[in-house]
Amino acid sequence: QQQVKQSPQSLIVQKGGISIINCAYENTAFDYFPWYQQFPGKGPALLIAIRPDVSEKKEGRFTISFNKSAKQFSLHIMDSQPGDSATYFCAASAYNSGNTPLVFGKGTRLSVIA
Amino acid sequence: DAGITQSPRHKVTETGTPVTLRCHQTENHRYMYWYRQDPGHGLRLIHYSYGVKDTDKGEVSDGYSVSRSKTEDFLLTLESATSSQTSVYFCGSGGNTGELFFGEGSRLTVL
Repeated sequence: QQQVKQSPQSLIVQKGGISIINCAYENTAFDYFPWYQQFPGKGPALLIAIRPDVSEKKEGRFTISFNKSAKQFSLHIMDSQPGDSATYFCAASAYNSGNTPLVFGKGTRLSVIA
Repeated sequence: DAGITQSPRHKVTETGTPVTLRCHQTENHRYMYWYRQDPGHGLRLIHYSYGVKDTDKGEVSDGYSVSRSKTEDFLLTLESATSSQTSVYFCGSGGNTGELFFGEGSRLTVL
């Protein structure tokens, strides 16, 4: 049973375009939703995170949109750059239920082409 | 970046041999985690710790054991390595905010 479903598996975006990655979850106890960025040979790095008291969070070119009723959240990368080419993982945890470990999606490989 | 170091970074071993991976953090984080990363599977939780000597199993704990005798160190042991345990292993740590920070990974090949 996959608790966090991520799509698409891979994504190719033109430089300057918008990259959109989607995640859906099942456990209504989840209340912390981070996104991680991973470059080849490196560990995943925390990129941006949201808690369900807000529907959107923006940090620079990166925005998380959160829809609690649909149990979905997404990452938008505005003005995508070749340097954004990486694998992105969404994750979720039940922070207020004892800080349970993060459950990860399977990842999206993003390629930004010039 | 959180001060998390993993050792060894690369290891090749033979089936049936014991292997220990070490994770060391300098952030005084309460929580520590071991995940494995395999193509098509993302990151899957092996074991985690919520304090010294307090550990629990994750999704893929069979064949693995852990120990945490000090806040800063979390060891992952494969008692008898198998080819299915060939993977990249990531250690993570975090405090009470829910945030999790990862090390650079340990690539293990079991022949």
